[in-house]
Amino acid sequence: DTEVTQTPKHLVMGMTNKKSLKCEQHMGHRAMYWYKQKAKKPPELMFVYSYEKLSINESVPSRFSPECPNSSLLNLHLHALQPEDSALYLCASSQVGGIANYGYTFGSGTRLTVV
Amino acid sequence: AQTVTQSQPEMSVQEAETVTLSCTYDTSENNYYLFWYKQPPSRQMILVIRQEAYKQQNATENRFSVNFQKAAKSFSLKISDSQLGDTAMYFCAFSHNTDKLIFGTGTRLQVFP
Repeated sequence: DTEVTQTPKHLVMGMTNKKSLKCEQHMGHRAMYWYKQKAKKPPELMFVYSYEKLSINESVPSRFSPECPNSSLLNLHLHALQPEDSALYLCASSQVGGIANYGYTFGSGTRLTVV
Repeated sequence: AQTVTQSQPEMSVQEAETVTLSCTYDTSENNYYLFWYKQPPSRQMILVIRQEAYKQQNATENRFSVNFQKAAKSFSLKISDSQLGDTAMYFCAFSHNTDKLIFGTGTRLQVFP
């Protein structure tokens, strides 16, 4: 299995809702990432997990809460989002320290719309 | 801080022709890695090709090749025999031995029949 699977593919939520994005991989990668991508822009790093521990938080607002319950699963919990948080949310994985050699494997993303 | 610059917001090419996408970067590091990613309308980012800075030989993957000029900090992507399926956003990216990729702003490539 060489895929990163993200669910749901599309999500519309109100500003008072709580929702979660899910990312799963079975490649044995021990580093997992959340990126946010606005239209016609490059992805922007949000969080990095290494060996299931948060290693990088790029000063992301607390309304985004990541979680890595095990080595195959990465969640992004959303609460009290703003319309400007509407974007494509990409998950990726890699070998720890292996990004330099192999790059990331990306999922297809969740298209989030906040209304 | 490392930066990656793609100066061509949009490019177009006719099917079967060759096109070159430009990328420059800025870093004070000596060992690093460069990547080209493709993002078609399906949204998934796909690794096209990678280059290790300590290797002088330019990387090649089938119809895709790079022109890596370390002194000039330039990393261009050449697509030969362009196909309609090459239509996508192309991102140049940089990594220096960390678990973090720095992306350029992207070049939208349209391949015409």
